[in-house]
Amino acid sequence: SQKIEQNSEALNIQEGKTATLTCNYTNYSPAYLQWYRQDPGRGPVFLLLIRENEKEKRKERLKVTFDTTLKQSLFHITASQPADSATYLCALDGRYGNKLVFGAGTILRVKS
Amino acid sequence: SAVISQKPSRDICQRGTSLTIQCQVDSQVTMMFWYRQQPGQSLTLIATANQGSEATYESGFVIDKFPISRPNLTFSTLTVSNMSPEDSSIYLCSVEDGAGYTGELFFGEGSRLTVL
Repeated sequence: SQKIEQNSEALNIQEGKTATLTCNYTNYSPAYLQWYRQDPGRGPVFLLLIRENEKEKRKERLKVTFDTTLKQSLFHITASQPADSATYLCALDGRYGNKLVFGAGTILRVKS
Repeated sequence: SAVISQKPSRDICQRGTSLTIQCQVDSQVTMMFWYRQQPGQSLTLIATANQGSEATYESGFVIDKFPISRPNLTFSTLTVSNMSPEDSSIYLCSVEDGAGYTGELFFGEGSRLTVL
């Protein structure tokens, strides 16, 4: 069956460092992959989308890579700040049916 | 972009009762989606609501338990019927990016239900 895995353990890093979050998937051939940010008590907010034919996408301090051979996406936040502390969710399209499927998310804590 | 308002933001309910969650969007949209997010879990799609037709439910979710209304292109409701403590969760309404299909979703703030 289709499966999305994100690190269930929280990632704790020091302010100014680069945070790297991982999204692995199996039994998928997604046309694109998305990353969302979710703060406690709030709905998810879209951050970035990367298509299957793109290796890398950047937006300000954010960078996403997509390796369809490894079936993995990496999400980087450079020069991290305490305000970046949140849960980050990856989501894959179902290709057939166009339904997004979400991972459980990884909690990021940036300490000053 | 789309701005989505959900009501109630949170509620505490008694076992066996039903609660209706409302979702209002600031623009007309074709499809509205209802998700459930249980503590520490991923978002799970409950159903897709289209205006003028019955909602399409995902595996494991049935209309009798989660009836949905979609009276127009900016509004939808989700009812959680005959609630049990297992229904304690956050329920989220979402819509797709309307400016060209990228699959980007906009979410409401969610409705946090606690069933005693």
